[in-house]
Amino acid sequence: AQSVTQLGSHVSVSEGALVLLRCNYSSSVPPYLFWYVQYPNQGLQLLLKYTTGATLVKGINGFEAEFKKSETSFHLTKPSAHMSDAAEYFCAVSVPSGGGADGLTFGKGTHLIIQP
Amino acid sequence: NAGVTQTPKFRILKIGQSMTLQCTQDMNHNYMYWYRQDPGMGLKLIYYSVGAGITDKGEVPNGYNVSRSTTEDFPLRLELAAPSQTSVYFCASSYVGTEPLGPQHFGDGTRLSIL
Repeated sequence: AQSVTQLGSHVSVSEGALVLLRCNYSSSVPPYLFWYVQYPNQGLQLLLKYTTGATLVKGINGFEAEFKKSETSFHLTKPSAHMSDAAEYFCAVSVPSGGGADGLTFGKGTHLIIQP
Repeated sequence: NAGVTQTPKFRILKIGQSMTLQCTQDMNHNYMYWYRQDPGMGLKLIYYSVGAGITDKGEVPNGYNVSRSTTEDFPLRLELAAPSQTSVYFCASSYVGTEPLGPQHFGDGTRLSIL
């Protein structure tokens, strides 16, 4: 079974500063990895995903993440934080299962706070 | 573009009551999912469906039932509501071809309180 650990339930950065949200996973087979964002009172929105190929993945709103197999990590970054980035961010993992849906295994989330 | 629509948005139930959370999608997605989100716990998969007439249990199915009679609709049924089912429920959908890639589109959630 796979699992996801997000380091830091709350991360605070200044507007214009680098955003780094950490995600480590555990999986017995090569995983698919996802980052979702959730704004207050809304559902989750897919930011980006890694399936195969290029390990640096670019997503919406200027975010990107890099799959590092040796470190079992998939950290999310953005060069310059904007006030509108304040939200809850979830890392998730899925594995190919030969036809089953399985859904995703989610981390517990990181609340990103942007200081003016 | 409606996407994934959930109703109701809020509901308060008494212990032992039953209700159905509705979910419909207009994207012709084959896969649909139900998750629950508890504070500080991320999302847990309750049930999923790979197509009309096919459903399967996720991580936390106890106390819930689902059906998938059409591609568009995937209702979640609570038969005997318990306080432990107080949560925010999300329906999601995706189109899956040869590889399962997880949910791509989420509804805005149903906030359910059991008192």
